[in-house]
Amino acid sequence: GNSVTQMEGPVTLSEEAFLTINCTYTATGYPSLFWYVQYPGEGLQLLLKATKADDKGSNKGFEATYRKETTSFHLEKGSVQVSDSAVYFCALSPSYGGSQGNLIFGKGTKLSVKP
Amino acid sequence: DTGVSQDPRHKITKRGQNVTFRCDPISEHNRLYWYRQTLGQGPEFLTYFQNEAQLEKSRLLSDRFSAERPKGSFSTLEIQRTEQGDSAMYLCASSPRYYGELFFGEGSRLTVL
Repeated sequence: GNSVTQMEGPVTLSEEAFLTINCTYTATGYPSLFWYVQYPGEGLQLLLKATKADDKGSNKGFEATYRKETTSFHLEKGSVQVSDSAVYFCALSPSYGGSQGNLIFGKGTKLSVKP
Repeated sequence: DTGVSQDPRHKITKRGQNVTFRCDPISEHNRLYWYRQTLGQGPEFLTYFQNEAQLEKSRLLSDRFSAERPKGSFSTLEIQRTEQGDSAMYLCASSPRYYGELFFGEGSRLTVL
């Protein structure tokens, strides 16, 4: 079946540190991949997405590349800020066998950035 | 710019009672989704509507759960005879026609005592 595995948190970093949050997936066919972010007290927001192999999604300094050969979609940011403190969810949308937009989420990784 | 709104934000109820949650999607979005999120887990898909038609239901949606979207606008999620295991955050999301991007509300937290 379809599933997403992401690194367990919490992750604590100092401001301006480099961030990597690992995400791997299992899916048949060619899923679309997403990173969603949930800031304290807010709803989930789409951070970035990639719809096919080798696509790079980017937003707000975050990047992730769809790697089909390693079934991975790792999230990276070169220099984190305190305002990036949030829970990050990796998700996939199956290419077939279910509704479009039926997202399968990982468990989430909590990031805390210290000044 | 109004986003997805959910009501109530928090509901505390006793086991065996019925509860209903409401979701108002972004007005031009024709797809509406319900997800459930328990502590330490990612959201899990429950059901989805395209306009007023309920097109898919997860196996997580037992017969005590029912969702409606009359007239293709707001949606309600009702849980009958609540159990302690129903305690969770219930998330609503809507999307426009294109593939995959969901806009989430802040959720309705259910606590069953």
